[in-house]
Amino acid sequence: QKEVEQNSGPLSVPEGAIASLNCTYSDRGSQSFFWYRQYSGKSPELIMFIYSNGDKEDGRFTAQLNKASQYVSLLIRDSQPSDSATYLCAVNIGNSGGYQKVTFGTGTKLQVIP
Amino acid sequence: EAQVTQNPRYLITVTGKKLTVTCSQNMNHEYMSWYRQDPGLGLRQIYYSMNVEVTDKGDVPEGYKVSRKEKRNFPLILESPSPNQTSLYFCASSLSGGGTEAFFGQGTRLTVV
Repeated sequence: QKEVEQNSGPLSVPEGAIASLNCTYSDRGSQSFFWYRQYSGKSPELIMFIYSNGDKEDGRFTAQLNKASQYVSLLIRDSQPSDSATYLCAVNIGNSGGYQKVTFGTGTKLQVIP
Repeated sequence: EAQVTQNPRYLITVTGKKLTVTCSQNMNHEYMSWYRQDPGLGLRQIYYSMNVEVTDKGDVPEGYKVSRKEKRNFPLILESPSPNQTSLYFCASSLSGGGTEAFFGQGTRLTVV
């Protein structure tokens, strides 16, 4: 079982719709969760991070975390063609010693259709 | 401008010829990390460093070395490159630790023939 799993897609949504991206992780010790966006040929850029169960909103983006079920999701409201990219889920396993190993999922490709 | 700078951007080399990919950040970040990105495998962490002289292995450290002698620099060294190290490499830095990498370098596309 992969440590961080994402559906590779592509996920196609019409412009203006809500895009829902999902990620599951295997390590119950995971403490921090991140979503990155990567345009083709470019570097990943951090969109959001979430540490606690529940929802965290930032503009059109909402991250949702459910530690009991070991999943984290990203909702993009009012999707725009410029949101078309690959979205990477990343999980940071930390401990009292400050260990900071990061594992990425393979990414979900999102296509927003005008 | 806050940035992470990698060099070179593109490199073609031959098997066994030692190479170094440099990474420098100007944000006084403590945490730096190297990743490789391959189709279907995503981003995989090679090594990370939590501070000067403090480094640790990520998921795929075999065949790589790193050093952190200064806070701003975190070079990646391939002592004897092999074709399976052909990949896209990213350096990243963060103020507060792994996973909060707000800054990635531009990437280095390495081909080993």
